[in-house]
Order: sequence, then C-alpha cells, then structure tokens
Amino acid sequence: DIQMTQSPSTLSASVGDRVTITCRASQSISSWLAWYQQKPGKAPKLLIHKASNLGSGVPSRFSGSGSGTEFTLTISSLQPDDFATYYCQQYKSYSYTFGQGTKLEIK
Amino acid sequence: EVQLLQSGGGLVQPGGSLRLSCAASGFTFSSYAMSWVRQAPGKGLEWVSGMSRSGDSTYYADSVKGRFTISRDTSKNTLYLQMYSLRGEDTAVYYCAKEGGIDGRLDYWGQGTLVTVSS
Repeated sequence: DIQMTQSPSTLSASVGDRVTITCRASQSISSWLAWYQQKPGKAPKLLIHKASNLGSGVPSRFSGSGSGTEFTLTISSLQPDDFATYYCQQYKSYSYTFGQGTKLEIK
Repeated sequence: EVQLLQSGGGLVQPGGSLRLSCAASGFTFSSYAMSWVRQAPGKGLEWVSGMSRSGDSTYYADSVKGRFTISRDTSKNTLYLQMYSLRGEDTAVYYCAKEGGIDGRLDYWGQGTLVTVSS
C-alpha cells in the first residue's frame, strides 16, 4: 500500500496568517491527491482534488500544489472558520490511503 | 442536491455482525464508484472498502479483508457494508462517500454512523 505522511501533526497560527501543510507519498502518485477539511463531529469536506484543483464552493484562499511524491496545501490568509483538521488522501490506486492529519489550532 | 443518508450503526458484541446502509439521492447512483471510510475515536481517517460503479469490482483494506463485504442495490440507490467477526478495533464512525466521476476523490460524504464493538 502507498503510505502518506503529513507534516506537521499540529500547527498553531493566527487569523490572517499564511500556512502550509505538507504531504509525502511513499511512491509516485502523479497528481492523484486530494485534501479534506474536517471539523469535530462532522464528515470531511473535499477541498482540493487532483493535487491543485479547487473543490466546488471552496474559497480561493485554499490552494494545492505538487506532483509525484510531494504535495502542499496552502491557506493564504487564515479565517476563523479554517481552524480544523486537514487530511491528504491518495487515490492513484486502491487501497486508498490518508495522511495522519494536521490539526490547525488558534495561536 | 447530492445526499447520502446512513443508517445501521450501533452496539455489537465482539464476534458479532452488523450491516450499514447508505441511501443515495441527487445523482445517478449507478454511474459512480462508492467507498466506505472509518474513523476510530480520536483518530484519523481510514479507507475501508470501495466498489466500482458497475459493482463488478470490490476492494478492501487489509484490516477488514475477509470480514467485511461491500455491496450496492441500484434499484434502491443504496450502498451497504456488511461487517462480520467484529473486533474492538472496528469501533469507529463509518462514513460512506461518493467518488468523483473520473477519479477516486471523495466528493460527497454521508453523515457518519457510529459502530461500537464491546461486550
């Protein structure tokens, strides 16, 4: 199975900050990568697909980049609603796998 | 509007069985692959199982292979996850999710249903 490693596990930031989360795959997944946002008690929400494509209705302050084995999710200017946990997911091949998550906390 | 309405969770004893359902609406169910993802309490997301849009192909995580069965009934627009030989480590919130039309992104999710395996 393809392993996905996210960093950092926890990130403390302030409203208005620019933040970046990294996801690394154990082998090349081309651009078959998605990012999700999850808030406590809620289902995950698709933010980014195919590494850099914004999901439907997702604000433009979210962006994704990368290909092969290294990917990033960037939030250009943090808003109060953005404090949540973020997961990457590879879908190059079954079994799909997720990163362990990055919890974005208010500093 | 795409909706995935889940049912069937609950408390079950170790070694027991349970079937989860996911009723789909707002899209052509037979045209999309579907997946199940779970989340143990306080933990991250784990993909569990997937089924092709035709239903001909099924896929499972190693952790559930041989114990769980995914299926779909296109006449009822419903996805199922039959779980057998349940263990404590299967305790989790289970989500069904619709895959994107041309790739495996999970673009819509159900509300989740809690499965607790305990004596």
